[in-house]
Amino acid sequence: EPEVTQTPSHQVTQMGQEVILRCVPISNHLYFYWYRQILGQKVEFLVSFYNNEISEKSEIFDDQFSVERPDGSNFTLKIRSTKLEDSAMYFCASSEGDLYSYEQYFGPGTRLTVT
Amino acid sequence: DAKTTQPPSMDCAEGRAANLPCNHSTISGNEYVYWYRQIHSQGPQYIIHGLKNNETNEMASLIITEDRKSSTLILPHATLRDTAVYYCIAPDSNYQLIWGAGTKLIIKP
Repeated sequence: EPEVTQTPSHQVTQMGQEVILRCVPISNHLYFYWYRQILGQKVEFLVSFYNNEISEKSEIFDDQFSVERPDGSNFTLKIRSTKLEDSAMYFCASSEGDLYSYEQYFGPGTRLTVT
Repeated sequence: DAKTTQPPSMDCAEGRAANLPCNHSTISGNEYVYWYRQIHSQGPQYIIHGLKNNETNEMASLIITEDRKSSTLILPHATLRDTAVYYCIAPDSNYQLIWGAGTKLIIKP
């Protein structure tokens, strides 16, 4: 069964450093998403992406964040200058339907620890 | 804010049906209700969604009241692996999934 994969599973970085989190969505899916979950808290939407551009983004997704689909398979989330409060699990998801179908398939997540 | 409310936790005996309630009295007539679950520290997993009619798939059944103000997710024969946080979600006006705290379901042997 096809699945969303994410790398690395755990990333430790120092405050102020740039990080890139990588995701490989399910191959025939057209819509891609990033979410984050701070330990013990709710899942929070960050951004949705379709046709090589951002469709929607939340207030969390400020200028420090960017997304890219550099090739036909990868979908990346970049945090330019990490802060302590960026420590969280970051989940990538993809869906095959239109933007307003919320049947999304999630990856296992990347745990980001900022020290 | 989430448009749905759920009890914070529930227990169910292994092998019995787990019935998870959700209130969504403010959703509009064309808004679907989605259910996901998150097993500890893993990525959320899509379960099922519905609009008006009851729905069933290999994982669960979804019963939606006629007035659409509430719904119940049914896991017909719960196993220990069904222990997870279950989320009932209605997308917001910005087409985003807004996640609440969900219901922590504990399946007991």
